[in-house]
Amino acid sequence: QKEVEQDPGPLSVPEGAIVSLNCTYSNSAFQYFMWYRQYSRKGPELLMYTYSSGNKEDGRFTAQVDKSSKYISLFIRDSQPSDSATYLCAMSSANQAGTALIFGKGTTLSVSS
Amino acid sequence: GAVVSQHPSRVICKSGTSVKIECRSLDFQATTMFWYRQFPKQSLMLMATSNEGSKATYEQGVEKDKFLINHASLTLSTLTVTSAHPEDSSFYICSARENYPYEQYFGPGTRLTVT
Repeated sequence: QKEVEQDPGPLSVPEGAIVSLNCTYSNSAFQYFMWYRQYSRKGPELLMYTYSSGNKEDGRFTAQVDKSSKYISLFIRDSQPSDSATYLCAMSSANQAGTALIFGKGTTLSVSS
Repeated sequence: GAVVSQHPSRVICKSGTSVKIECRSLDFQATTMFWYRQFPKQSLMLMATSNEGSKATYEQGVEKDKFLINHASLTLSTLTVTSAHPEDSSFYICSARENYPYEQYFGPGTRLTVT
């Protein structure tokens, strides 16, 4: 079993839809969770960073962490064509500058106008 | 957020030559930088962890003599692909974590094509 599982999609939705992206993980030591957005041929861009369980909201984006289920989610409200990208979840056990993140495979999202 | 730059953004080289890719943290000091490789429609694969002033730590299966990493200062790490071959063609991305709050930022990536 891989440490981080993420459905690669693709996921296609109409403009204005609510999008739900998810990852599951197996390592109970993971405490720090991130979501990145990556446009084609670009480096990933940090969207959300959460610690432990709970919700975090930033504009149209909401990140949820359920450590008991080892499950994290990213919700995008009022999706826009500009949200079309690949979304990567990432996590780590330690909050140290020297600790690399473990990434999911990424989910490709397409929002049509 | 913090900014990480990478140079060059794209490079084409002939088989057998070496290519150097630079990664810089522009507005913060990074004692640790990470180098990833990404194939089309694949996720990021961690190649190595670069530590300022010491040797890099390579992931299993990554040839350290082929992918030379130097972290000469707190803002610069370089990856040199030596004796490049067509199978080394890929998208190479560096990243760095700030010391606090430890968010990890990525460079824009370097697309390497070996002919």
